[in-house]
Amino acid sequence: DAGVIQSPRHEVTEMGQEVTLRCKPISGHDYLFWYRQTMMRGLELLIYFNNNVPIDDSGMPEDRFSAKMPNASFSTLKIQPSEPRDSAVYFCASSPPRRVGGDRGFIYFGEGSWLTVV
Amino acid sequence: GDSVTQMEGPVTLSEEAFLTINCTYTATGYPSLFWYVQYPGEGLQLLLKATKADDKGSNKGFEATYRKETTSFHLEKGSVQVSDSAVYFCALHSYNTDKLIFGTGTRLQVFP
Repeated sequence: DAGVIQSPRHEVTEMGQEVTLRCKPISGHDYLFWYRQTMMRGLELLIYFNNNVPIDDSGMPEDRFSAKMPNASFSTLKIQPSEPRDSAVYFCASSPPRRVGGDRGFIYFGEGSWLTVV
Repeated sequence: GDSVTQMEGPVTLSEEAFLTINCTYTATGYPSLFWYVQYPGEGLQLLLKATKADDKGSNKGFEATYRKETTSFHLEKGSVQVSDSAVYFCALHSYNTDKLIFGTGTRLQVFP
């Protein structure tokens, strides 16, 4: 399997511009997660989906951030307008259907999208 | 709420030294525990896991034992290599929130 695929790998944009990050989860996985990683705040869960439905978006920092999952093989995280403090690595991750006990919490990460807002 | 605390880094070691990275947790019930590793420029990947008390997870020479009495899951390796240089994250799966909760990460630097 190709793993979780994210694009772009690197993006530099100017403050105020719209940024769209894309993710293709592993085929057959029904959970999809968006995380943000910064030096100051570490790894933060922004939002996660189950069967394309957003389950918990309590980590989304503000209304400038939005995420969609129109189908089982694609998700986007959008920032509009972007600000310098949004500079971070954004990870998408996916996991297979949850079983009782066992492998709950075992998720597969993409390589990340490195965003710099200047 | 549920949380994970791990030692601050960086941890700097010479090749073949013994490694310990401490991790303690606070959780309701009996969470599953994990160590993830992040190599430079890459995403996190699962290193090992333990799903119940006294379980020992192991992989690539790394080990960690789920200690319920001390609420700990310390990562150990008997002889580190330069290629082990990475950031290591302790994590728990919270049954309360059905979320994977990560610690802040500990950077390991191994020198030849």
